[in-house]
Amino acid sequence: SSELTQDPAVSVALGQTVRITCQGDSLRSYYASWYQQKPGQAPVLVIYGKNNRPSGIPDRFSGSSSGNTASLTITGAQAEDEADYYCNSRDSSGNHLAYVVFGGGTKLTVL
Amino acid sequence: QLQLQESGPGLVKPSETLSLTCTVSGGSISSSSYYWGWIRQPPGKGLEWIGSIYYSGSTYYNPSLKSRVTISVDTSKNQFSLKLSSVTAADTAVYYCARHPVVAATTLFDYWGQGTLVTVSS
Repeated sequence: SSELTQDPAVSVALGQTVRITCQGDSLRSYYASWYQQKPGQAPVLVIYGKNNRPSGIPDRFSGSSSGNTASLTITGAQAEDEADYYCNSRDSSGNHLAYVVFGGGTKLTVL
Repeated sequence: QLQLQESGPGLVKPSETLSLTCTVSGGSISSSSYYWGWIRQPPGKGLEWIGSIYYSGSTYYNPSLKSRVTISVDTSKNQFSLKLSSVTAADTAVYYCARHPVVAATTLFDYWGQGTLVTVSS
């Protein structure tokens, strides 16, 4: 199956911009989706597709993609953005769009 | 507002079968626009997709778990279920159910249950 690679940890100063990346061969063909997970809570979808935000997600969250790398950018990081972030995408080795792969997650610290 | 709720035993003995059910409310599980999936997260670790099911009963499993996983759907009860056989301590995790929209260019889970911790221990 495909794999998605994320940096284990990233930090950002309050109010600054941070980019969290996700690498994998499947991202050459498919967009990533991004999830925010705070301790003890279920993941929350923050970005999907080319650069779509579900209702209620602040516009400081944005997504982009280039080659085999997808990125989640938080412009003007807030204290409440401190969380784990996961990417996922279709598993390009599967023969159906329902096959899924997740990245290992990135722990974001807001300083 | 769509809601998903996992239910099932929180403790399973090694070698036995883990069984969980996800009840969907506020929407129909029979919609042609969605799959319905199971994802798990071992304590302190990342997310792992277990598998997904379509309302028709078509199933798609993570190859690494395929030999032990069965996902089924009961449209009359608006529920779908997970069975994981021959469990070991490595299967201890929070298990989530989630809605999985049918989208060609990507994949996403847009609504999640709160999760349920299943511990494998004798």
